[in-house]
Amino acid sequence: AQSVTQPDIHITVSEGASLELRCNYSYGATPYLFWYVQSPGQGLQLLLKYFSGDTLVQGIKGFEAEFKRSQSSFNLRKPSVHWSDAAEYFCAVGAITGGFKTIFGAGTRLFVKA
Amino acid sequence: NAGVTQTPKFRVLKTGQSMTLLCAQDMNHEYMYWYRQDPGMGLRLIHYSVGEGTTAKGEVPDGYNVSRLKKQNFLLGLESAAPSQTSVYFCASSYPHRRSGNTDTQYFGPGTRLTVL
Repeated sequence: AQSVTQPDIHITVSEGASLELRCNYSYGATPYLFWYVQSPGQGLQLLLKYFSGDTLVQGIKGFEAEFKRSQSSFNLRKPSVHWSDAAEYFCAVGAITGGFKTIFGAGTRLFVKA
Repeated sequence: NAGVTQTPKFRVLKTGQSMTLLCAQDMNHEYMYWYRQDPGMGLRLIHYSVGEGTTAKGEVPDGYNVSRLKKQNFLLGLESAAPSQTSVYFCASSYPHRRSGNTDTQYFGPGTRLTVL
């Protein structure tokens, strides 16, 4: 069965510092991979996605993620965090074939300190 | 474009009461979903629909029913609310991936916060 693990429940970084949020998945083949962001009191918004091709994908707001098949990982990165990046981040896995369901990780809450 | 809208934004129910949550999207998306979000558990799929007149069960369907009579609307019903259904409910819509037909990017509504006493 598909599963998604986000090992860090919350992370605190200083404004201007780099960020990496971890995501590991369990799936029998290469799945579709997504990162979504949720600001307080709002719905989720797509940051970036990976379906195939180049394993380094660029997203909105200066985020990028790298798919590593050997590690079953899809970590999210940003070189310099802004205070407005404080939010909850969700990694998600979708099936390539035979299904319409997306499995979400439990989320990582990012705190940014001045 | 309003995107995905949800009605109501907040609701308090007593155990045993019923209610319907309405989701509407104006992007002509084929697929629609209902999720619940609970602390530390991410989003869990309740029901989904891949087209007008079709629905399917997700991960946690018990105690909920859905209907999709029109392409743009997806209704979630609670027949007899229980305290365990206290949660934040999100609706989402999506278009099919151009090659596989499976779910591509999902667009989410702002959520409905439901409390069952």
